[in-house]
Amino acid sequence: AQSVSQHNHHVILSEAASLELGCNYSYGGTVNLFWYVQYPGQHLQLLLKYFSGDPLVKGIKGFEAEFIKSKFSFNLRKPSVQWSDTAEYFCAVNARSSNTGKLIFGQGTTLQVKP
Amino acid sequence: EAQVTQNPRYLITVTGKKLTVTCSQNMNHEYMSWYRQDPGLGLRQIYYSMNVEVTDKGDVPEGYKVSRKEKRNFPLILESPSPNQTSLYFCASSPGQGVPNTEAFFGQGTRLTVV
Repeated sequence: AQSVSQHNHHVILSEAASLELGCNYSYGGTVNLFWYVQYPGQHLQLLLKYFSGDPLVKGIKGFEAEFIKSKFSFNLRKPSVQWSDTAEYFCAVNARSSNTGKLIFGQGTTLQVKP
Repeated sequence: EAQVTQNPRYLITVTGKKLTVTCSQNMNHEYMSWYRQDPGLGLRQIYYSMNVEVTDKGDVPEGYKVSRKEKRNFPLILESPSPNQTSLYFCASSPGQGVPNTEAFFGQGTRLTVV
């Protein structure tokens, strides 16, 4: 069965610190990969996505992620976080062969940025 | 504006009192899904629909029903809510098999409390 694991459940950083959130998935086939962000009290918004091509993808608000196929990983990075990045972050995968559009989510990582 | 609209945003109800959470999308998407979000568990799929009159169970369907009589609407029905259904619920839509590599769009969420 497919699964997604996010290594960090709660991360606390000071402003301007660098961020890396780990995400590993378990699935033998081809996948689409996503990072979603949920700001307090709001719905999920897409940060970035990977379908094919360059494994280093850039998203909104200065975020980027790198797909490493051999490691089944899709880690999220940001060189310098801001207080406004405080949110919950979800990694998700969708099996390319799936005809249901189903997303498998990780457990989420709560990021708290101290001003 | 392309969007997924859920109602209500907040709901407190009593055990056993039937309720419906509505979901509507204006993007002519074929796929629609319901997820529940619980702390430490991420989002888990409850039910999904691949098109009108085509629905199927997700990972946690017990205690829920859905219907898809029109393409734009995908209501979630709790016939006899119980306290373990207290959660944050999200509706999502995506284009469908004809547009394979695209992300899901999420509604604002419905925070349900069953007492």
